[in-house]
Amino acid sequence: EAQVTQNPRYLITVTGKKLTVTCSQNMNHEYMSWYRQDPGLGLRQIYYSMNVEVTDKGDVPEGYKVSRKEKRNFPLILESPSPNQTSLYFCASSLSRQGSETQYFGPGTRLLVL
Amino acid sequence: AQSVTQLGSHVSVSEGALVLLRCNYSSSVPPYLFWYVQYPNQGLQLLLKYTSAATLVKGINGFEAEFKKSETSFHLTKPSAHMSDAAEYFCAVTLLTGNQFYFGTGTSLTVIP
Repeated sequence: EAQVTQNPRYLITVTGKKLTVTCSQNMNHEYMSWYRQDPGLGLRQIYYSMNVEVTDKGDVPEGYKVSRKEKRNFPLILESPSPNQTSLYFCASSLSRQGSETQYFGPGTRLLVL
Repeated sequence: AQSVTQLGSHVSVSEGALVLLRCNYSSSVPPYLFWYVQYPNQGLQLLLKYTSAATLVKGINGFEAEFKKSETSFHLTKPSAHMSDAAEYFCAVTLLTGNQFYFGTGTSLTVIP
């Protein structure tokens, strides 16, 4: 089944404790992206990747890191989480960056930083 | 800069009534426009998209949207609401020449029996 998977689905952590949220897709997609969803703000793009080893900042990259060493994986790293990073995170992928391509979203990771 | 505005964070309709969810975009060049739906505790899934082929776009579950350049709008409609349509709906925009996607703040649709 074609899908985007994220792990973990739920995570409670404390301020400053490094964490990684994994994202994997099995569709051989080139373009991958991370979003955060907050009430009243919709989805905001954190980082995106056009292909392996090619990443760039979205609208809200502060406090986050990403890497794209393999085509299928695009982990999101919070090196020193803070409470303002409490949010619902989505990973998405599409065949290419062409604007007409559909993005496929993962199920989301709900993060609480205490 | 590109942006999307969704008017009405909450919309309630009676079952069988017309659904109209509003989306206006701001873009200096022709955009690609999308409507996504999010059911509770799930990710987003594509309802429909405008990619400049036709201004009236039909999507899944009986939804459609019309691209109106003069009004910079891409409103989502469905002639007859069903209980299963209750969800959050997001409008999004991207450009042929850009690499980013911009989402609206979402509209929560409630369907009243």
